[in-house]
Amino acid sequence: DAGVTQSPTHLIKTRGQQVTLRCSPISGHKSVSWYQQVLGQGPQFIFQYYEKEERGRGNFPDRFSARQFPNYSSELNVNALLLGDSALYLCASSDLAGGLRADTQYFGPGTRLTVL
Amino acid sequence: GDSVTQMEGPVTLSEEAFLTINCTYTATGYPSLFWYVQYPGEGLQLLLKATKADDKGSNKGFEATYRKETTSFHLEKGSVQVSDSAVYFCALSGGSYIPTFGRGTSLIVHP
Repeated sequence: DAGVTQSPTHLIKTRGQQVTLRCSPISGHKSVSWYQQVLGQGPQFIFQYYEKEERGRGNFPDRFSARQFPNYSSELNVNALLLGDSALYLCASSDLAGGLRADTQYFGPGTRLTVL
Repeated sequence: GDSVTQMEGPVTLSEEAFLTINCTYTATGYPSLFWYVQYPGEGLQLLLKATKADDKGSNKGFEATYRKETTSFHLEKGSVQVSDSAVYFCALSGGSYIPTFGRGTSLIVHP
């Protein structure tokens, strides 16, 4: 089975621009989460979506938004980019069958965003 | 809120040495605990997990035991290899089911 896929792999933007990152979960997984991993830090939770509804949101400004599509793929949008948004953005999918508690998250390889 | 504290790295070992990476947590309820590994230039991979107290997770020679009394989930391996060089993240998923990660511990294994 294919794992979690993300596109693009790398992205370079300038301050003030907008960016859209994409994620396709493992087949059969209905939950997608997004994380920001700044160099030298652990992943920080941004959003979790399940069945197209937002189920959790981390401590990120409103410049960050996301959505999930009927095929369970997801997009993360970041507006008005700042230098501090430079990070590895990770997508993870999980199988929430049996409840809302995610027992395991399967991560994609990430999108490396550089803001100049 | 939930939090995870890992020992600071880098941890530098010779091949075949014994590895311990300490992890303690704060959480409400009964979280699931995880160790993830991140190799250079890659995303996170689940290494092992434990979902209740006294459970032992194990994979590829790595082990960790869920200790509720000490709120710990230390990662151990009896004999490390150069290929184990990576960053290791301790994480939990609790009642809020918003996952929380530690800062990561870099492991460097020399031949």
